[in-house]
Amino acid sequence: GNSVTQMEGPVTLSEEAFLTINCTYTATGYPSLFWYVQYPGEGLQLLLKATKADDKGSNKGFEATYRKETTSFHLEKGSVQVSDSAVYFCALSLNTGGFKTIFGAGTRLFVKA
Amino acid sequence: NAGVTQTPKFQVLKTGQSMTLQCAQDMNHNSMYWYRQDPGMGLRLIYYSASEGTTDKGEVPNGYNVSRLNKREFSLRLESAAPSQTSVYFCASRPLNTGELFFGEGSRLTVL
Repeated sequence: GNSVTQMEGPVTLSEEAFLTINCTYTATGYPSLFWYVQYPGEGLQLLLKATKADDKGSNKGFEATYRKETTSFHLEKGSVQVSDSAVYFCALSLNTGGFKTIFGAGTRLFVKA
Repeated sequence: NAGVTQTPKFQVLKTGQSMTLQCAQDMNHNSMYWYRQDPGMGLRLIYYSASEGTTDKGEVPNGYNVSRLNKREFSLRLESAAPSQTSVYFCASRPLNTGELFFGEGSRLTVL
């Protein structure tokens, strides 16, 4: 079946540290891959996406590259800020059966000043 | 600039009571979804509506019903609430031919 596995949190970093959140997926077919971010008390919002192999999604200093050979889509940021504290969800979407999206369990990030 | 609007934002129910969560989107999206979010489990799909007039079960449909009232509105009904349905519920919509989801702010439901 289709699934998304991401690293467990919480992840605690100091401001300006390098961030990596690992994400791997299992899918039948060719999914689109996404990172969503959820700030406290809010709904999820799209952070970045990639629709085919070797695509790099980027936004707000965050990047992730669609690696088909390792079925991965790791999220990275070179220098985190306190305002990046949130929960990050990796997700895949397949263009079958209504474009259902499957989410990972989420990784909570705390950034200390 | 409302996007996806959910009501109510908070609700406390007693076991066996019924209620409906309302969702409306103003982006002219064809597809709408209801998810529940539980700690350590990510988001799980309850029901979805690929287009006006159609609804389908997701991963965890038991205990829920949905109605796609028109293109804008998609409601989720709990006929007889159970403590296992304590969760945060998110409605989302999706534009045509893209996998990107647009979410509401969530509805926190507690069943005692």
